[in-house]
Amino acid sequence: RKEVEQDPGPFNVPEGATVAFNCTYSNSASQSFFWYRQDCRKEPKLLMSVYSSGNEDGRFTAQLNRASQYISLLIRDSKLSDSATYLCVVNNPTGGFKTIFGAGTRLFVKA
Amino acid sequence: ETGVTQTPRHLVMGMTNKKSLKCEQHLGHNAMYWYKQSAKKPLELMFVYNFKEQTENNSVPSRFSPECPNSSHLFLHLHTLQPEDSALYLCASSQLTSGRNEQYFGPGTRLTVT
Repeated sequence: RKEVEQDPGPFNVPEGATVAFNCTYSNSASQSFFWYRQDCRKEPKLLMSVYSSGNEDGRFTAQLNRASQYISLLIRDSKLSDSATYLCVVNNPTGGFKTIFGAGTRLFVKA
Repeated sequence: ETGVTQTPRHLVMGMTNKKSLKCEQHLGHNAMYWYKQSAKKPLELMFVYNFKEQTENNSVPSRFSPECPNSSHLFLHLHTLQPEDSALYLCASSQLTSGRNEQYFGPGTRLTVT
């Protein structure tokens, strides 16, 4: 089993739609969680951290479910500019931090 | 955004060449990272430096040699690479605090080994 798993997609949605991605992780000791966004041939950029209580930033909502070991990202009112690959990131404690990236979920938002 | 810079942005090298990638962070962070991103594969963590000390080396071949002279600069020295080493090499930095590790990436060096 991969340490971090994501549905690769692609998700093809119309503008204005709501779309949700899930990501599962295998290490129950994982400490911190993030969603990154990566545009084609660009570097990953931090989208949002994921907190135990859930957090929201504008149209984006992230949730953490420790019992089931998954995190989710919800995007409301999708924009064309949301088209990108969304990377799930998990930090595992190993004396420092071991950062593990998921393979990413591709999103295409169409007019 | 110029928080983390990398040079060169593109590099083509032969298998017998020696070259170095450079990364500089202007965010006051205490940890720096090298990642490799190959086509259609997840980012692979290569090396981690925490306060200039290497804390992770994820079974990276010795033809990749990192150097961290201070907490703002990170190098990746390359020699006798193989064509399969062609990839995007990303540098990142973070401020390590208990429980969190938000990393910020540079634009990457796209490396082609011929």
